[in-house]
Amino acid sequence: AQSVTQLDSQVPVFEEAPVELRCNYSSSVSVYLFWYVQYPNQGLQLLLKYLSGSTLVKGINGFEAEFNKSQTSFHLRKPSVHISDTAEYFCAASTGRRALTFGSGTRLQVQP
Amino acid sequence: DSGVTQTPKHLITATGQRVTLRCSPRSGDLSVYWYQQSLDQGLQFLIQYYNGEERAKGNILERFSAQQFPDLHSELNLSSLELGDSALYFCASSVGVEANYGYTFGSGTRLTVV
Repeated sequence: AQSVTQLDSQVPVFEEAPVELRCNYSSSVSVYLFWYVQYPNQGLQLLLKYLSGSTLVKGINGFEAEFNKSQTSFHLRKPSVHISDTAEYFCAASTGRRALTFGSGTRLQVQP
Repeated sequence: DSGVTQTPKHLITATGQRVTLRCSPRSGDLSVYWYQQSLDQGLQFLIQYYNGEERAKGNILERFSAQQFPDLHSELNLSSLELGDSALYFCASSVGVEANYGYTFGSGTRLTVV
């Protein structure tokens, strides 16, 4: 069965610092990869997705992620975070016809 | 507003009762997915419907059932409720049957079983 592992449950970072949220997946076939963000008391919002092609994917709010097939990773990065980026971030994967499998989430806490 | 509407937003009920959660997908989307989010289990896929037909089942209990109607709205029925069923229930929709389109999520229904 497919699985998604988010290696950090919480990531504290100071405002304007860079951040990386780590995600690893397990799949022996082609996989679609996603990052979602969940603000308090809200649903999940799509940040970016990787389907094929360029391994560097740019998303909304200045986020980007890099697909690394040999490492089976899809880490999310932002060069300079804002207070408003404080939220829960979920990595998700699918092999296509299967529903998205989500990781356990990483809470990003941006401090002033 | 994501375009996916879930009602009610909050629900408090007693153990042993039955509740129905409702979801209207984004206009043009044919697939509806139900997920359960709890602190200990994270986001768990329950079930998917595509254009009125069940397409995939995840970790859905036998006490739970769902359906998608001709107008494409979906309902998730939870019966014989237990304390452990307390969670956020999300509905998501997408255009097609595959996940490559990405999902649009509703704001969820918070179920509290007392």
